Amino acid sequence: AQSVSQHNHHVILSEAASLELGCNYSYGGTVNLFWYVQYPGQHLQLLLKYFSGDPLVKGIKGFEAEFIKSKFSFNLRKPSVQWSDTAEYFCAVNGWGSQGNLIFGKGTKLSVKP
Amino acid sequence: SQTIHQWPATLVQPVGSPLSLECTVEGTSNPNLYWYRQAAGRGLQLLFYSVGIGQISSEVPQNLSASRPQDRQFILSSKKLLLSDSGFYLCAWTQPGQGPYNEQFFGPGTRLTVL
Repeated sequence: AQSVSQHNHHVILSEAASLELGCNYSYGGTVNLFWYVQYPGQHLQLLLKYFSGDPLVKGIKGFEAEFIKSKFSFNLRKPSVQWSDTAEYFCAVNGWGSQGNLIFGKGTKLSVKP
Repeated sequence: SQTIHQWPATLVQPVGSPLSLECTVEGTSNPNLYWYRQAAGRGLQLLFYSVGIGQISSEVPQNLSASRPQDRQFILSSKKLLLSDSGFYLCAWTQPGQGPYNEQFFGPGTRLTVL
């Protein structure tokens, strides 16, 4: 069965600090990988996604993620966070050949101090 | 453009009462539709998905049921709510014809509190 692990439940950073949120998945086949973000009071929205090709994908608002197949990881990064990045971040995966439905991690809450 | 609506936005219900949450999608036809529950510290749990009218798949056995009476309408129901049904319920859709292997678009959610 597929599963997704997000290592950090709550991360607190100061503005301009660098961010890396860990995400590991378990699935033996080809996967699609996603990061979703939920800003306070807003809809869950897509931050970035990986389907194939360049394993370093860039998303909105300066975020990027790197797919490392050998490590089953898809960590999210941002070189310099802003107060407006305060939100909850969810990693998700669906695997080809499975039901294909998204499996989400438990989420990481990011708090950025101004 | 496509939009997704959920109502009500918040709901407080007593234990044992029935439930009906509604989700509608505009601007697309034959979408795949999903119901998730988001509980604090537990991420998003897929409850049901549907690839067409009257076609419902359940991911997790529970006290809830889902129905799709119309192409762009997805309803989450319960005959008798339990305390453990409290949570934030999200509806989502994906483009038709591409299966579930695609970006999902989420609605605003319904906050359900069972007392």
